[in-house]
Amino acid sequence: KAGVTQTPRYLIKTRGQQVTLSCSPISGHRSVSWYQQTPGQGLQFLFEYFSETQRNKGNFPGRFSGRQFSNSRSEMNVSTLELGDSALYLCASSFRRTSSYEQYFGPGTRLTVT
Amino acid sequence: SQQGEEDPQALSIQEGENATMNCSYKTSINNLQWYRQNSGRGLVHLILIRSNEREKHSGRLRVTLDTSKKSSSLLITASRAADTASYFCATDPPLSGGYNKLIFGAGTRLAVHP
Repeated sequence: KAGVTQTPRYLIKTRGQQVTLSCSPISGHRSVSWYQQTPGQGLQFLFEYFSETQRNKGNFPGRFSGRQFSNSRSEMNVSTLELGDSALYLCASSFRRTSSYEQYFGPGTRLTVT
Repeated sequence: SQQGEEDPQALSIQEGENATMNCSYKTSINNLQWYRQNSGRGLVHLILIRSNEREKHSGRLRVTLDTSKKSSSLLITASRAADTASYFCATDPPLSGGYNKLIFGAGTRLAVHP
């Protein structure tokens, strides 16, 4: 079974631009979560989608948004990029509705904002 | 803010030795999970321990959980160079609503030297 895939793997953007990252979960998984990882703040939860509905959102500004499609693939968008948005963005998928089970992480998208 | 804090921040040992990492958290939890991350890549799930469990084993891994002290430890026995990675604990607090939201600790960087 193929793992979680994320595209692109690396991205360089300029301040003020916007970016869209994509995540394809493991086949059959309906929950997709997004995390931001930076050296200063560590791993922080962004949001989670299940069956196209955002069920939970972390403490991030409205510039960060996401969506999930009927095939469970998810995208996250960051508008008006700031230097501090440079990070590794990880998505994770899970078969279950709740986090009482393991999550499967993709390799991440490394975003650099200049 | 992060739920957990890990100790030590970095650990350097020789192959064959045991490695112990500790995690403390702040609120009550449904479960606690440990993940490994190799050099800025995606996270790999290692083990999950539920709040009503005290100890769990998986191969060379042993995890303990003390909910009264709000702490957990991960023991890797007979370490190998391939165990070199960052290790994170992640909790699933009840306030997450039972959705797939994990709160990660800052991680322990483990270096195993041949």
